[in-house]
Amino acid sequence: QVLLLQSGPEVKKPGSSVKVSCQPSTDTLASFAINWVRQAPGQGLEWMGYINPVFGSPNYAPRFQGRLTITTDKSTNTAYMELSSLRPEDTAVFFCARDSGDYPGSYVMDVWGQGTTVTVS
Amino acid sequence: EIVLTQSPGTLSLSPGERATLSCRASQSTHSNTLAWYQQKPGQAPRLLIYDTSRRAAGIPDRFSASGSGTDFTLTISRLEPEDFAVYYCQQFDSARYTFGQGTKLEIK
Repeated sequence: QVLLLQSGPEVKKPGSSVKVSCQPSTDTLASFAINWVRQAPGQGLEWMGYINPVFGSPNYAPRFQGRLTITTDKSTNTAYMELSSLRPEDTAVFFCARDSGDYPGSYVMDVWGQGTTVTVS
Repeated sequence: EIVLTQSPGTLSLSPGERATLSCRASQSTHSNTLAWYQQKPGQAPRLLIYDTSRRAAGIPDRFSASGSGTDFTLTISRLEPEDFAVYYCQQFDSARYTFGQGTKLEIK
């Protein structure tokens, strides 16, 4: 079973940017899409966007357009989520999650990273 | 954008009881786009159900789900202590995912 390993917690100032990484323990990112999901303290799950390495271009939720950049680095087999112009309300846990994976043709996130806490203060 | 509304917000039950969680979509959604997740405090969500009614690998058969169109249900037939958690439904439409706001299943 593949694991998604995320980078460690971050503390950022308002107005700055944060970049969170996500690396599969096995498999190559070229074989599946990666989603990013945000969860503010005590709140629910919010889908931010995904990138499908097969098609290349990422897709973002409208509320994050202009502030969110999702990329992959094939040389390091790592996906990245960068959120800019941070505000205190961006304080959250950010998860990466594999798209479809073992369920081809289904729209699910079947493997999740452990989460990265980002505090904006 | 399809909005998912889950009810109830909180469900208080005892171990051994049956739990029924609801997820209603603002527009009709395809069966292969509706999924359910379980999340425990401090953990990442875990996929329970995909394609509206199919259990993910390793999910006990006390979990079942059904629905079509705009109304979907997750049922836990006999609650075990480890089932008390938050449950989210999720759908995919127009190249975007959305989640319901969650139902917290707590011990009565």
